[in-house]
Amino acid sequence: GNSVTQMEGPVTLSEEAFLTINCTYTATGYPSLFWYVQYPGEGLQLLLKATKADDKGSNKGFEATYRKETTSFHLEKGSVQVSDSAVYFCALTDLKETSGSRLTFGEGTQLTVNP
Amino acid sequence: ETGVTQSPTHLIKTRGQQVTLRCSSQSGHNTVSWYQQALGQGPQFIFQYYREEENGRGNFPPRFSGLQFPNYSSELNVNALELDDSALYLCASSTTRGRAFFGQGTRLTVV
Repeated sequence: GNSVTQMEGPVTLSEEAFLTINCTYTATGYPSLFWYVQYPGEGLQLLLKATKADDKGSNKGFEATYRKETTSFHLEKGSVQVSDSAVYFCALTDLKETSGSRLTFGEGTQLTVNP
Repeated sequence: ETGVTQSPTHLIKTRGQQVTLRCSSQSGHNTVSWYQQALGQGPQFIFQYYREEENGRGNFPPRFSGLQFPNYSSELNVNALELDDSALYLCASSTTRGRAFFGQGTRLTVV
């Protein structure tokens, strides 16, 4: 079956620091990979996605590259802001087998950015 | 704003009771999925509905059931509530092969 493993948190950084959140996956077929962000008291917002190997997803300064050889999709940002404080979820779905709303999520990584 | 709305936003129920949560899908979406997110955990897939039929189910007991209506809105019903059912319940809608759009969730507390 499909599974997603994220680095253990929480992660605490100072403003303007470099961020990496590790994500590895196990999947049959050809998964699409996603990063979602959840702000306190809210639902999930799509941050970025990649649908095939070597694709790079990017949004709001965040980037992640789909690495099939290492089954990874690590999230990076060069300079974090206080407003980036949230929980980040790595997720996958196999669009050839099922619809895009059936996702497998990792456990989430809490990011806190201090001024 | 995703266009997916859930109601109610919060509710408190007593163990053993039944609860119905509602989700209005984004216009044009024919598929809806429900997730349970326990505190400090990632969302867990409960089930999915496509054109009013259940189309896949996660590892949840039969007391979790659902409906999808002709307008593609959806309900999640949970019978015989247990304390461990306390969680944020998320609804996501999509087209058949499109990406998911999530609602804000319903926070259920079972006491």
